[in-house]
Order: sequence, then C-alpha cells, then structure tokens
Amino acid sequence: EAQVTQNPRYLITVTGKKLTVTCSQNMNHEYMSWYRQDPGLGLRQIYYSMNVEVTDKGDVPEGYKVSRKEKRNFPLILESPSPNQTSLYFCASRQGHEQFFGPGTRLTVL
Amino acid sequence: GESVGLHLPTLSVQEGDNSIINCAYSNSASDYFIWYKQESGKGPQFIIDIRSNMDKRQGQRVTVLLNKTVKHLSLQIAATQPGDSAVYFCAENDRDDKIIFGKGTRLHILP
Repeated sequence: EAQVTQNPRYLITVTGKKLTVTCSQNMNHEYMSWYRQDPGLGLRQIYYSMNVEVTDKGDVPEGYKVSRKEKRNFPLILESPSPNQTSLYFCASRQGHEQFFGPGTRLTVL
Repeated sequence: GESVGLHLPTLSVQEGDNSIINCAYSNSASDYFIWYKQESGKGPQFIIDIRSNMDKRQGQRVTVLLNKTVKHLSLQIAATQPGDSAVYFCAENDRDDKIIFGKGTRLHILP
C-alpha cells in the first residue's frame, strides 16, 4: 500500500530534550515536506526536500532541522524543543502537485 | 504577500443537500488549485484539482469551479453524506512550485 508513515504518533516531552520524528514513504517520491498545523493558522511548511541531500527552508524553519540521506526517509529534528513547538506535525511526499500526507504526530513540549 | 484563504471557517449542511465550500486566492500565476479533505485524527487527503486554464472539473460526487476573474475557487459536494464531515482546505501550486494552503473550512453534516 502506498503510504507515508510517521513515528511517533504522539509525544510529550520537556523543554530542551532533543527529539526526532521519523518519516518514511514507499512511493519513490523525490519531493518531501514537513508541515505544522496549528488552530487558526492552517498548514505551514517547515522544511522541504526536492531530492536526496537537498533540503530547503519553508515558511517556519526556526528551531527545526531535517536531513535527507536517502529518498524514502525525511526525519524532523528538534535539537532543543520549546513550548511554542507544541503542535500537530505532518510529513508529506509529493508527486507533481499532489501531496500524500502521513497520519500526523502530535507533539507537546512542557 | 500572496495567500490562499477561505470565506467561512464553518459550514453546516443538511444530510442529502449539496455543499459549497468557497476559497479566495490572490496569486493569479498559480498553475494548479487543489482541494484537500482532512478527517478528524488524520492527515489531509487529496480530493480533486483543477488546472488554471480550466473553469470546471468534476469528480465522483465533487465539482471544483475556478473563476479567475474574481480569483475564486469552490468545491461542490453533491448529496452530502455523514462521511463528508471534515475540514476542507484549498491550496494553490504557485509559480515557484510551492503549495500554499488556506486555513480550512469545517463542514458539519446535520442529520
């Protein structure tokens, strides 16, 4: 089944404790993105990657890092999480203009 | 800056009636306009898209209309069902090949 998977689905952590949210897609898509979704603000792009070893900042990259060492994986790294990064995060891969989203990761930073 | 937005945050529709969800956009150079559906607890899911050189495109129970004169996009859902209850996002694929999302409209289905 063609899909985007994310782990973990839910995470509660404390300020400053590094974390990684993994993302994997099995559709051989070159383009992958991370979004955060907040009430009243919709989906905002954090980072995107157009291919292996190519990453670029989206609209809200501050406090986040990504890597793209292989086509299928695109982890999101929070080196020192802060409470304002409490949000719902979505990974997506893209074929043309159609995006396929993962199920989401709900992150709470205390 | 350029943005994609929505007229109403919430829309309530009687089951069986048709739903119309509206969206305004400001970037007239976008190539594609897309509608996504997000059910509770899930990621957004592609519904239908329309290319900028078209006015109308129909899917199984959905129709997207594009009015470039007034920069307006709408999603029509025929014979709305309980399973249509979700948040609907419009999005545009701009000239830089970036997809920009609107803030979403929540569709409530009344029994």
